[in-house]
Amino acid sequence: KNEVEQSPQNLTAQEGEFITINCSYSVGISALHWLQQHPGGGIVSLFMLSSGKKKHGRLIATINIQEKHSSLHITASHPRDSAVYICAVGDSTFGTDKLIFGTGTRLQVFP
Amino acid sequence: EPEVTQTPSHQVTQMGQEVILRCVPISNHLYFYWYRQILGQKVEFLVSFYNNEISEKSEIFDDQFSVERPDGSNFTLKIRSTKLEDSAMYFCASTGFYQRPYEQYFGPGTRLTVT
Repeated sequence: KNEVEQSPQNLTAQEGEFITINCSYSVGISALHWLQQHPGGGIVSLFMLSSGKKKHGRLIATINIQEKHSSLHITASHPRDSAVYICAVGDSTFGTDKLIFGTGTRLQVFP
Repeated sequence: EPEVTQTPSHQVTQMGQEVILRCVPISNHLYFYWYRQILGQKVEFLVSFYNNEISEKSEIFDDQFSVERPDGSNFTLKIRSTKLEDSAMYFCASTGFYQRPYEQYFGPGTRLTVT
């Protein structure tokens, strides 16, 4: 049973399109994280949120705690947005806030 | 901006050999983590470390694995006798202790290849 589910697994878009990636989780969390992983493998934190909505440039993340669901939106997508986007939840059961990761969404944006 | 660093970036080793992966967390951080990602799979938690001891470990983190903070800056992951299935990307992360929830800062990863 996956504790963090993402959809879609793969996504292709034309430059300029509005992108939505969804994440559902089944465990209690301290926070939800959206991360970006580029082909070289490095992981970059985009957002950490425990309620409501956050915006950074063309990226918007929302979370609905009651429904255990989060979305990552990219407005006016660009080829440089091509990457794997990963949803992860913080698990504070043992006080460590370790992250439990989803499988990621591979996004390709074409010019 | 402070960052987490990891060395080496790529390590190739033979099955049965010991490897040590090194991480330098952000200097004023207090919680440290190792994660791994087998090629094509999701990132998995291995271990967390706080106050010079393991605070939580996963089922993956068996007796072949150990972690250490030998000085005030380095945080190491040792695999005593590597297996083929240990081939993966290993990420170190660290976080401060200022206010929950904690944002984790990831290193660039070490790609371990066991032949």
